[in-house]
Amino acid sequence: AQSVTQLGSHVSVSEGALVLLRCNYSSSVPPYLFWYVQYPNQGLQLLLKYTTGATLVKGINGFEAEFKKSETSFHLTKPSAHMSDAAEYFCAVSDGGGANNLFFGTGTRLTVIP
Amino acid sequence: DTGVSQDPRHKITKRGQNVTFRCDPISEHNRLYWYRQTLGQGPEFLTYFQNEAQLEKSRLLSDRFSAERPKGSFSTLEIQRTEQGDSAMYLCASRIDGSSYEQYFGPGTRLTVT
Repeated sequence: AQSVTQLGSHVSVSEGALVLLRCNYSSSVPPYLFWYVQYPNQGLQLLLKYTTGATLVKGINGFEAEFKKSETSFHLTKPSAHMSDAAEYFCAVSDGGGANNLFFGTGTRLTVIP
Repeated sequence: DTGVSQDPRHKITKRGQNVTFRCDPISEHNRLYWYRQTLGQGPEFLTYFQNEAQLEKSRLLSDRFSAERPKGSFSTLEIQRTEQGDSAMYLCASRIDGSSYEQYFGPGTRLTVT
């Protein structure tokens, strides 16, 4: 079974500061990992994904994440926060087989302080 | 490519009434998913279609819920005899076989049961 734990339901950073959102996963098979962003009253937009290959993946809006199998982690980072980054961020895992349905964490709300 | 669309965006209904939501996936996406998202939580998988076949259902999908995808294109999700606990955002997502597993989400239908 797959599951995701996101540490910190709320994270606040100053504009221009490093963003670090934590995600740990549990999977009985090699996982596929995703970060999605959700703005108020909207659906989810894919930021980036890891399936196979390079463990450091780059996504949209300057975000990147590193798959660390030994730590079962897939933390999301951005070197310099922008006001427009304020949103809810969800980490998700899929087993890649069958339905490929996604198992989501409970989300982290990012606040950017001007 | 106009993205995944959902209708209506908001629905307010009284307890005991039936409601139906529609999802139009990205054209040529053969896989379609329904998720439910309650306040402060990540989306939870409800059910999944491959073309017109409903291949997997979550235990969250009680007997009051039914989903169809009659021609393998749009899908409907019906909730009969709504309960206050059904209040949530209902998200639809689609993807195509052979892609790198990311799902594209619609804007969601927010259901409020009074």
